[in-house]
Amino acid sequence: DAKTTQPNSMESNEEEPVHLPCNHSTISGTDYIHWYRQLPSQGPEYVIHGLTSNVNNRMASLAIAEDRKSSTLILHRATLRDAAVYYCILRDEGSQGNLIFGKGTKLSVKP
Amino acid sequence: NAGVTQTPKFRILKIGQSMTLQCTQDMNHNYMYWYRQDPGMGLKLIYYSVGAGITDKGEVPNGYNVSRSTTEDFPLRLELAAPSQTSVYFCASIGQGAGLPQHFGDGTRLSIL
Repeated sequence: DAKTTQPNSMESNEEEPVHLPCNHSTISGTDYIHWYRQLPSQGPEYVIHGLTSNVNNRMASLAIAEDRKSSTLILHRATLRDAAVYYCILRDEGSQGNLIFGKGTKLSVKP
Repeated sequence: NAGVTQTPKFRILKIGQSMTLQCTQDMNHNYMYWYRQDPGMGLKLIYYSVGAGITDKGEVPNGYNVSRSTTEDFPLRLELAAPSQTSVYFCASIGQGAGLPQHFGDGTRLSIL
């Protein structure tokens, strides 16, 4: 499975946008880009996913580079509840759906 | 709207004891997974199942066993608990289809003393 690279940690101010980067230079054509987040003492929570085109949902936006070698998760207005570890994961639809978790990016939000 | 339910939420075991971590989902998902998460680390796959009667090993299966007699339930068994199995255990499930998200339970915090 292709690997992803994320910064260990990032900081944001409350109500400001946050851009969380992810590099995945070895991505294959059948890999979906998934983002999950894990709040303290909770299980991972699905945020968003995409294949080639940018995606928006009520939680976030996902911007995917044209060559698909990188992507950015965008939280439009960070709140204190968005403080979590964010995982960028590639998932090959032929791999029984398994997710391979790295260490993710720990996002801190300052009031 | 239960989703994935794990029991118990917390447990302390003595070395050498055995126990079963329960996981059930009410979404009729075929795929189910068990992960463990050690402090400060990402999740590691222990076992997974693609349907009732079918299970397979993940990255860290040693010391664990699973069964999948029904679509809904996917219990994880520790036969001889060891301190190295102190961790938080997450169960997850996913439906069949391209790009669908995994649904996770809230976890079981297990300490082996």
